[in-house]
Formats: sequence, C-alpha cells, structure tokens
Amino acid sequence: GQNIDQPTEMTATEGAIVQINCTYQTSGFNGLFWYQQHAGEAPTFLSYNVLDGLEEKGRFSSFLSRSKGYSYLLLKELQMKDSASYLCAVRDLYSGGGADGLTFGKGTHLIIQP
Amino acid sequence: DADVTQTPRNRITKTGKRIMLECSQTKGHDRMYWYRQDPGLGLRLIYYSFDVKDINKGEISDGYSVSRQAQAKFSLSLESAIPNQTALYFCATSDYPSNEQFFGPGTRLTVL
Repeated sequence: GQNIDQPTEMTATEGAIVQINCTYQTSGFNGLFWYQQHAGEAPTFLSYNVLDGLEEKGRFSSFLSRSKGYSYLLLKELQMKDSASYLCAVRDLYSGGGADGLTFGKGTHLIIQP
Repeated sequence: DADVTQTPRNRITKTGKRIMLECSQTKGHDRMYWYRQDPGLGLRLIYYSFDVKDINKGEISDGYSVSRQAQAKFSLSLESAIPNQTALYFCATSDYPSNEQFFGPGTRLTVL
C-alpha cells in the first residue's frame, strides 16, 4: 500500500510564493505527479518527477527527493486564478493500476488572498 | 471539442437502480481509467483498462463493473446503486509511455 500526505489547506497572498509539500511511502516508486484541480472541474497535469531534483515550468516548479520520500510544488508570482486544489500523486509499479495507475493524496486546497 | 467526454454530467438515482456512466475519448489513447472523488478522500482508482481486451480492478472495485466497448469507449456500471456511491466520477486516459493522464469533465452522481 501507499501513504501520501499533504496539508489540507494553505493560504497565500497574491504576488507571493508558496510551497506545497508532499510526503509518500511506496514500495515500487515510479514517478510523482502534481495536478491542479479547480472546484468542480477535472484535474489537469502540472508536473512529473522521477529523478531527484527540481523541474521548472514557468511559474511552477516541482522538486523530488526519492531517499526522503518527499516532494514539493513551488508556485511563484501567485495569481488569484491559482486558487485551487493541488493533488500529489505517486505511480507505484506494485499497486493497482499497473505501471500507469496513480495513487492520489487528498489534495491541498490553496486560497489566494488579495 | 473536448478530447475526453463523459455522459451524463449529472445524475440523480435511487437506491437499487442500475446505472451506467459513459466515457469517450478522441485522443487515440489505449489506456483508460475510472476514478471516484469524495470530499476528504481524494481520487481513488476503480477500474482500468490498457486495451480492449484488458480490464483490471483498481483500489475500490466492489459494487462496480466496466465495459471497454472499443478503444475510444469505457463505461462504468453500478449494478445496484447505494447511497455511499454518491460521488464525483472521473474518466481518464493515457498513452504509454506518456507520463500524463488526461481527465474528463466528471459525472456528479447522487444516489438517494
């Protein structure tokens, strides 16, 4: 089985930077994903990490440390439209879903204040 | 046009009824998935299919069945709906070796 933990809710200010952490325990780690989900909408892909280090994509960056079972999503220059839930998901070779199935954390609800 | 579509978008049904949720995709992907999302529990995998002849149970398959009618179509059935199956249901697709899953808009199901 897997255990994925991320904070339930975070609040940040428009224009600032926020870091959303995710810790996981898995036996057959094969990648970590971050998805964004606005209320009532489908999740959309943000980033993928399988090797240690930082992946940068515009205002969003994602970091992975496999030895620590730890990832974070960094959002810079926050905008009001960034208010959403951010889902951490782990791909495990030994879980249901085979090599592609994802196990999701419960999500972090990010509130952006003016 | 949306690449992954789900019908219906909203459905209210009664306990004991059989209901089918449908998913279609125009992305040409072989792999399709059904998830349910509940407040406080996140997304959980119900069933997945890697091609038309391959169907597999996910984390929470009890009370559900699926049918992969074609590469583009993957249906989820609730044989006898019960209130704790009230949830938001998402279909998703991916294409090996891509690392990204593409989600449909979701079906909000309420079982009374």
